[in-house]
Amino acid sequence: QSALTQPRSLSGSPGQSVTISCTGTSSDVGGYNYVSWYQQCPGKAPKVIIYDVSKRPSGVPDRFSGSKSGNTASLTISGLQAEDEADYYCCSYAGIYTWVFGGGTKLTVL
Amino acid sequence: EVQLVESGGGLVQPGGSLRLSCAASGFSFSTYYMSWVRQAPGKGLEWVANIKQDGGETKYADSVKGRFTMSRDNAKNLVYLQMNGLRAEDTAVYYCAKEAHYYMDVWGKGTTVTVSS
Repeated sequence: QSALTQPRSLSGSPGQSVTISCTGTSSDVGGYNYVSWYQQCPGKAPKVIIYDVSKRPSGVPDRFSGSKSGNTASLTISGLQAEDEADYYCCSYAGIYTWVFGGGTKLTVL
Repeated sequence: EVQLVESGGGLVQPGGSLRLSCAASGFSFSTYYMSWVRQAPGKGLEWVANIKQDGGETKYADSVKGRFTMSRDNAKNLVYLQMNGLRAEDTAVYYCAKEAHYYMDVWGKGTTVTVSS
């Protein structure tokens, strides 16, 4: 149950695109198409923005997109906006109804 | 409105016990897996435990196995986390989350547990 690996921080200017990576193993990210991404604003509960690798819940802007290749999943935010500044966490199903989260990425909008 | 409200957090001494509760409303509670996820101060999210719809199966993170017990009462739409043998490293905000199909779609606001002498 080792945490998935994410960059600790990233930054981008408004309008730019940023991609957050999430690296696991063949026992989690690489083994299932059940990667989800959560956005957490300061002092708030996490909110799901991507599930099943690339699906967006209703209400989440299409600027947010997800993908996966091998043991690495990615979250891309296009057309970065000030309100996107938050912490982002990936999460993967790890078999037998267990879960593993990434360490989190702090996104700064310059 | 779909809602989860946690309670029961507080200050406890190392080695002590605490029971967290999570009250669910606005959805068919008995048809979903439920999870507890925690976040230590300034740290990331850590999945702690989950429980099957009928309460018949539970899974735990290695870090809490043997010390924490998750249970549910479908008649009252409640889920619990009994925490024994608490350690300083268990200090965190504990979130209750509803599991949709392989992701967590609804989260509570969390309850804070502090383990300190």
